[in-house]
Amino acid sequence: GAGVSQTPSNKVTEKGKYVELRCDPISGHTALYWYRQSLGQGPEFLIYFQGTGAADDSGLPNDRFFAVRPEGSVSTLKIQRTERGDSAVYLCASSSGLAGGPSETQYFGPGTRLLVL
Amino acid sequence: DAKTTQPNSMESNEEEPVHLPCNHSTISGTDYIHWYRQLPSQGPEYVIHGLTSNVNNRMASLAIAEDRKSSTLILHRATLRDAAVYYCILRAYNTNAGKSTFGDGTTLTVKP
Repeated sequence: GAGVSQTPSNKVTEKGKYVELRCDPISGHTALYWYRQSLGQGPEFLIYFQGTGAADDSGLPNDRFFAVRPEGSVSTLKIQRTERGDSAVYLCASSSGLAGGPSETQYFGPGTRLLVL
Repeated sequence: DAKTTQPNSMESNEEEPVHLPCNHSTISGTDYIHWYRQLPSQGPEYVIHGLTSNVNNRMASLAIAEDRKSSTLILHRATLRDAAVYYCILRAYNTNAGKSTFGDGTTLTVKP
């Protein structure tokens, strides 16, 4: 079946611009996660959703970052007034059961590579 | 969150077994041990997970120390396609269990 998909695969923008990154989770998965990965480092947690609500947004670095999941499926990560330091790969993952289950498997998408010039 | 420690890099020869270690001395009794791997230019991929007992699946085996303060991911016959960054992660049975805290992982190089 289809895995997690993310669009666009690559995004180049200028400092100060607004960007939106989209994630389509595996159909029926109730939990959705966003991570950010800088070059040479492991993924860094940003936020996760259970259904439509953000269950934990403690990883969002500041108020320029915001994520929504209005219908409990597709999610959009929004970054306002982008800065060069926001350049990274943004990864999305989904899982099938109750978010927070410690034995759950997360299925990752290929990521969106964001470059802020 | 409990922390994991892994070597930065390891090398293996093709078709030989590989043992990837992970230390997690501050693990709590309800933390699950997960392993993911990330191939170049891809998102992380689930490998295996366990709680107390050793686990086997088609990809690998997970050996968990009796005191649970360390674990080892075992690839029985490394192939060139196993070259990746391997992450050992602890997931806690609490309100923060939805997130995974990745370290920098172990970069595995497989030589033909």
